[in-house]
Amino acid sequence: KAGVTQTPRYLIKTRGQQVTLSCSPISGHRSVSWYQQTPGQGLQFLFEYFSETQRNKGNFPGRFSGRQFSNSRSEMNVSTLELGDSALYLCASSLGGPQPQHFGDGTRLSIL
Amino acid sequence: AQSVTQPDIHITVSEGASLELRCNYSYGATPYLFWYVQSPGQGLQLLLKYFSGDTLVQGIKGFEAEFKRSQSSFNLRKPSVHWSDAAEYFCAVGAGAGGTSYGKLTFGQGTILTVHP
Repeated sequence: KAGVTQTPRYLIKTRGQQVTLSCSPISGHRSVSWYQQTPGQGLQFLFEYFSETQRNKGNFPGRFSGRQFSNSRSEMNVSTLELGDSALYLCASSLGGPQPQHFGDGTRLSIL
Repeated sequence: AQSVTQPDIHITVSEGASLELRCNYSYGATPYLFWYVQSPGQGLQLLLKYFSGDTLVQGIKGFEAEFKRSQSSFNLRKPSVHWSDAAEYFCAVGAGAGGTSYGKLTFGQGTILTVHP
């Protein structure tokens, strides 16, 4: 069974640009969650989508947004990039409900 | 609000020695608890989970963890460490039974494990 796939693995952007990250969950998983990982703040929850609806949201500015498609694939968008957005962005999928999350290898975003 | 504390930022052990990584959580009800491991440049791999029932849970790679409600702890243990166990370990808490935030995990700051030969 294929795991969670995140694309691209690496991205380099400049301040002010926008970026879209993609996540393909494990087949059959309907919940997709996004996390930001930085050396200073650690792992922080961004948002979760379940059946195309945002179900939970973390404490990030509105520049961070996401969506989920009918096939459960999810995208995350960050607009007006700032230097502090440099991070590893992790996507995780689960069946939904009280089930463990399974993580992809992440997208490493660097802002110049 | 839920929170997780991993008191040890960095632990060094010799190969073959036993290991215990500490985790304390704060949550209003019975939580779901997890341990994940992350190797450099990789995502997080699930080691084990606690949802309910037996408070001693077994995971992959010979790891186990014990849920102690009275101490709000969920410490990870391994009787004999291998060099390949060197990585960063994260404890996480999620919504427990009856909760609605299943898709949201709160992580500790992580513990970096170094294994000496």
